[in-house]
Amino acid sequence: GQQVMQIPQYQHVQEGEDFTTYCNSSTTLSNIQWYKQRPGGHPVFLIQLVKSGEVKKQKRLTFQFGEAKKNSSLHITATQTTDVGTYFCAGLSGSARQLTFGSGTQLTVLP
Amino acid sequence: NAGVTQTPKFQVLKTGQSMTLQCAQDMNHEYMSWYRQDPGMGLRLIHYSVGAGITDQGEVPNGYNVSRSTTEDFPLRLLSAAPSQTSVYFCASSFQGDGYTFGSGTRLTVV
Repeated sequence: GQQVMQIPQYQHVQEGEDFTTYCNSSTTLSNIQWYKQRPGGHPVFLIQLVKSGEVKKQKRLTFQFGEAKKNSSLHITATQTTDVGTYFCAGLSGSARQLTFGSGTQLTVLP
Repeated sequence: NAGVTQTPKFQVLKTGQSMTLQCAQDMNHEYMSWYRQDPGMGLRLIHYSVGAGITDQGEVPNGYNVSRSTTEDFPLRLLSAAPSQTSVYFCASSFQGDGYTFGSGTRLTVV
């Protein structure tokens, strides 16, 4: 079955430093979605990427979808304490249109 | 709009007991899913539905049943609870798989 790997599992940064998490799929994806989960909370949808090579920005967050549609990345510029949480990628493939989640990257931002 | 509502928020069961986790959405979403979240393992799909009367198994369906008699409701039944089912359960809904909205979760402990 489809597998989605995400690295790193944990990342500690000083406030103001940049942060990147990477996602790789064993199969070609029709789209990839990114979610953020605050400690003790539920996943919240951030963005969806559909096109090969697509790049989207949300303020300090930059999302990329690979040319082969098998990998993706999320980059946060100048992290803030409000960025703390776990970031999940989730790949959508096949006709079932169900997501396979990566294991997440837990981001800690030190003030 | 309430979005996705899950009840109860917390539950303690004894091994062998059965119970139903409730999930309701008011966004007229056709797609609904149940996930469980365990530490370090991301979100794993239990069962999903692409419309009323249609359900299918996800990655970890054993020990769980679902039904979808209406668009709004998607209950998850634990048939005979086991300690391995101790987890956080999330229900989510989506318009055709694009950007899922998650409920706040049910924290289940089986003793």
